[in-house]
Amino acid sequence: DAKTTQPNSMESNEEEPVHLPCNHSTISGTDYIHWYRQLPSQGPEYVIHGLTSNVNNRMASLAIAEDRKSSTLILHRATLRDAAVYYCILSGGGADGLTFGKGTHLIIQP
Amino acid sequence: ETGVTQTPRHLVMGMTNKKSLKCEQHLGHNAMYWYKQSAKKPLELMFVYNFKEQTENNSVPSRFSPECPNSSHLFLHLHTLQPEDSALYLCASSLDRAPMDTEAFFGQGTRLTVV
Repeated sequence: DAKTTQPNSMESNEEEPVHLPCNHSTISGTDYIHWYRQLPSQGPEYVIHGLTSNVNNRMASLAIAEDRKSSTLILHRATLRDAAVYYCILSGGGADGLTFGKGTHLIIQP
Repeated sequence: ETGVTQTPRHLVMGMTNKKSLKCEQHLGHNAMYWYKQSAKKPLELMFVYNFKEQTENNSVPSRFSPECPNSSHLFLHLHTLQPEDSALYLCASSLDRAPMDTEAFFGQGTRLTVV
């Protein structure tokens, strides 16, 4: 399975934008880039996914590098409720299910 | 509310007990999954079902026995568990078993404690 690399933790201030990086240098042409987050004591929650083009939804934006070897999840205006573990996952290659790594623990300071 | 419901939310069981975890979704999804999340560890995929057929078993011990009677329901039968099996057990569903261009929905999980 293609792997992803994320920082263990990041800290940001409330009401400021947050850029969460993810490296996936061994990504294949058919791998989609997914982002999920997990709030304390809850199951993971879908955030966004994309293949080649940048994507926007009501929760976040996903910026994908031209060579697809890295991507960035952008939270435009962080709130305290965005404090969570954020997972960058590649989906494809015929594997069933999603393979989670350790993710990035995002801390939001008031 | 994700549309994936797990019961019970909390379970304490002895090592000689038999219990079952239940997962239900009415999202019209064809694939369902069991994940295990131990303290301080990433989620581990345990089982995958697609159209009621098991397509993945990630070397899970036989004391965990999944059952998928239909595309909407998934069970995890537990027997003679060990204390190290204490964890958060999460169920998920998606339209396809390899959710490349779609999202997976997770339940709230069952917090299992084996004593």
